[in-house]
Amino acid sequence: DTAVSQTPKYLVTQMGNDKSIKCEQNLGHDTMYWYKQDSKKFLKIMFSYNNKELIINETVPNRFSPKSPDKAHLNLHINSLELGDSAVYFCASSQVHRGPSPLHFGNGTRLTVT
Amino acid sequence: TQLLEQSPQFLSIQEGENLTVYCNSSSVFSSLQWYRQEPGEGPVLLVTVVTGGEVKKLKRLTFQFGDARKDSSLHITAAQPGDTGLYLCAPRGGNKLVFGAGTILRVKS
Repeated sequence: DTAVSQTPKYLVTQMGNDKSIKCEQNLGHDTMYWYKQDSKKFLKIMFSYNNKELIINETVPNRFSPKSPDKAHLNLHINSLELGDSAVYFCASSQVHRGPSPLHFGNGTRLTVT
Repeated sequence: TQLLEQSPQFLSIQEGENLTVYCNSSSVFSSLQWYRQEPGEGPVLLVTVVTGGEVKKLKRLTFQFGDARKDSSLHITAAQPGDTGLYLCAPRGGNKLVFGAGTILRVKS
């Protein structure tokens, strides 16, 4: 019973293409996130949604567009992929978006742009 | 932008040794979490500390939150190869959880 699942696990694509990563959580959590982990393992928040509403939008190129059709799903669409987009993208969820509510992470999507 | 420093960046030790990882900031946080990440997986929560000076133990791992809630440490006693992984501190400021750069720990048998 996977709590936070994201697909695909690996994504290899060429520059200029458009791709999507999907995320689903079955924990009943209100808040979902997208994080980007670079080659140096630095984990940086990109977006956060609470009950389908965008609450965190960090300095991310507008080629990245999150979409939350319902509070159990948060997808990430990336247009015009660039070499620098290569990284591991993690989806996460938490019960609420404040306080010491822990994050539950998916196993990541390794995106390689060639 | 809060400055968060985690040290050391990399640690390679022999099984049975003790080690401490530090997480320091100039900001005050309402709470702080420690996560461990293994290759090919997402980070997994180890502990949450909330009160200044709080100490929590998880088997051989001891976590401490600084009195001023600006820093934290993770001490591992008698490290095992299974402790190998990336350790991340994550203080919470407002509705954001900010991750440190991480400490890669390798425990050799």
